[in-house]
Amino acid sequence: DGGITQSPKYLFRKEGQNVTLSCEQNLNHDAMYWYRQDPGQGLRLIYYSQIVNDFQKGDIAEGYSVSREKKESFPLTVTSAQKNPTAFYLCASSTTSGGAPDTQYFGPGTRLTVL
Amino acid sequence: QKEVEQNSGPLSVPEGAIASLNCTYSDRGSQSFFWYRQYSGKSPELIMFIYSNGDKEDGRFTAQLNKASQYVSLLIRDSQPSDSATYLCAVTANQGGKLIFGQGTELSVKP
Repeated sequence: DGGITQSPKYLFRKEGQNVTLSCEQNLNHDAMYWYRQDPGQGLRLIYYSQIVNDFQKGDIAEGYSVSREKKESFPLTVTSAQKNPTAFYLCASSTTSGGAPDTQYFGPGTRLTVL
Repeated sequence: QKEVEQNSGPLSVPEGAIASLNCTYSDRGSQSFFWYRQYSGKSPELIMFIYSNGDKEDGRFTAQLNKASQYVSLLIRDSQPSDSATYLCAVTANQGGKLIFGQGTELSVKP
């Protein structure tokens, strides 16, 4: 059963803590993305990776870090430098070939709350 | 000007009516256009994509693209209460395969 999984579904962070959000896909997609969504807002791109061992900053990368050591995995770390991290975090992946290149498919999301 | 702009909602239509959702974009180099549906508290799910000018139909959904006017729309025929959700328009950036999302339009279909 192919898809994108994110864990945990809910995450609570204390001030000053780093937390890591997991994103795994078994769709054999090359590209993976992290977005942040605030209430009533659209999606804002944090980081993206089009190939293993390479990634680029999106529009709001400050306070976040990523790695792409495997094609299937693209974890996001929310660092203590991110001053307002409470949001819904969405991971997506896409292929760069085939009938619908660039079509992004989303995982179920992680809702992060700072206590 | 926002790169991708959608009707500010919420949009309310009666059950069985046609819902029309609109989106304009600023980058003339954009090649691919997507509509996603997002239920409250859930992640976006793809409804349709369109690459060429004109209409593309899939069941009750029709996407319309006019590149000259930089305009893409989604029509939902025979709207159902289960169509009540936020609809996100997304457009490819000129480089890198990134998508730029509009802020979304909330649709409410009243029984």
